[in-house]
Amino acid sequence: DVKVTQSSRYLVKRTGEKVFLECVQDMDHENMFWYRQDPGLGLRLIYFSYDVKMKEKGDIPEGYSVSREKKERFSLILESASTNQTSMYLCASSLVRAESQHFGDGTRLSIL
Amino acid sequence: KQEVTQIPAALSVPEGENLVLNCSFTDSAIYNLQWFRQDPGKGLTSLLLIQSSQREQTSGRLNASLDKSSGRSTLYIAASQPGDSATYLCAVRGSNAGGTSYGKLTFGQGTILTVHP
Repeated sequence: DVKVTQSSRYLVKRTGEKVFLECVQDMDHENMFWYRQDPGLGLRLIYFSYDVKMKEKGDIPEGYSVSREKKERFSLILESASTNQTSMYLCASSLVRAESQHFGDGTRLSIL
Repeated sequence: KQEVTQIPAALSVPEGENLVLNCSFTDSAIYNLQWFRQDPGKGLTSLLLIQSSQREQTSGRLNASLDKSSGRSTLYIAASQPGDSATYLCAVRGSNAGGTSYGKLTFGQGTILTVHP
């Protein structure tokens, strides 16, 4: 079974901090994705990556950046956290770009 | 821009009922469609994936259909059980001009299902 692991289930940070959310997958998947999930807005794609050192903007990239130095790890970075970035963040991976994505359990991030 | 709508937003049924969840999308140029389940405070679990050339997919008590031309999919759950209680999400994967896909999913807002004993 594919395992997608997000480093923290719950995280509390302060406004202005630089925040790192980590995601690791163990199935040698090429493709990795970061989403945020908000009530009333559903899941929205922030960034995705098709290969090491590659990144593509999703629908809501503003205020975020990503890093993929190794195939198994995809990091989401909040450069200067703001309260409107309080949300549930979900990481996913897939073997083939257009096929099934496997999700981690999510990180619930609160920015105070 | 693709938009995905799920109806109803919430559904409460007694155990044993057969039920249908609906998903509609505005752009019929899709590569495939995926149904997920999400338990409270958890990530998403993939249930079924239907390619754009397919009409339906089945897994156990679940059956998903796809009518690409009309922009609709349904998830049928037979003989519902309390353990089926969760949020069900529909997501479509867009198709580009070359007939392949960049892999981006557009999600609906989900149907919250409660099955009571």
